[in-house]
Amino acid sequence: DIQMTQSPSSLSASVGDRVTITCQASQDISNYLNWYQQKPGKAPKLLIYDASNLETGVPSRFSGSGSGTDFTFTISSLQPEDIATYYCQQYDNLPVTFGPGTKVDIK
Amino acid sequence: QVQLVQSGAEVKKPGASVKVSCKVSGYTLTELSMHWVRQAPGKGLEWMGGFDPEDGETIYAQKFQGRVTMTEDTSTDTAYMELSSLRSEDTAVYYCATDRGGAAHDYWGQGTLVTVSS
Repeated sequence: DIQMTQSPSSLSASVGDRVTITCQASQDISNYLNWYQQKPGKAPKLLIYDASNLETGVPSRFSGSGSGTDFTFTISSLQPEDIATYYCQQYDNLPVTFGPGTKVDIK
Repeated sequence: QVQLVQSGAEVKKPGASVKVSCKVSGYTLTELSMHWVRQAPGKGLEWMGGFDPEDGETIYAQKFQGRVTMTEDTSTDTAYMELSSLRSEDTAVYYCATDRGGAAHDYWGQGTLVTVSS
């Protein structure tokens, strides 16, 4: 199985800050990577697909980049409603696997 | 707009089986590819399997092979996930989610908590 790692595991930032999360795959997955946001008690929400494509209706402050084994997820200006855990997900090989998540909160 | 409504919470004893349902509205089930993802308390997301429209078959994560069965009733637009031989480690919230391709799960049910306890 492809192992996904994320860093940091948690972060605290101020409103308006730029937030960056990294995700690394244990092998080359091309751009077969999605990003999800999950708020407490809620189902995950798809934000970014195919590494860099913004899902319809998702604010443009969210973005993704990368290919191969190294990927980045960015919130350009953190908002209070962005408090959540963010997961990367690879789909290059079955089983589909998720990273362990990055918990983002407000400083 | 797709809506997925799942069945209610379940409490099961070790060794038992559980069957979780996921009712689709807004689309018909035949227009969708349904997958299942679970999340143990305080833990991350784990993909269990789902329908692969390219070959028309349901694919399961090897971890669950032999214990999980995913079925669909197209007459009622309801998907089901049955997990057998339950153990305490199966305690989790189980989600159904549509897959529009590339494992992009764009619509999710509200989740069903399954608790396995003696």
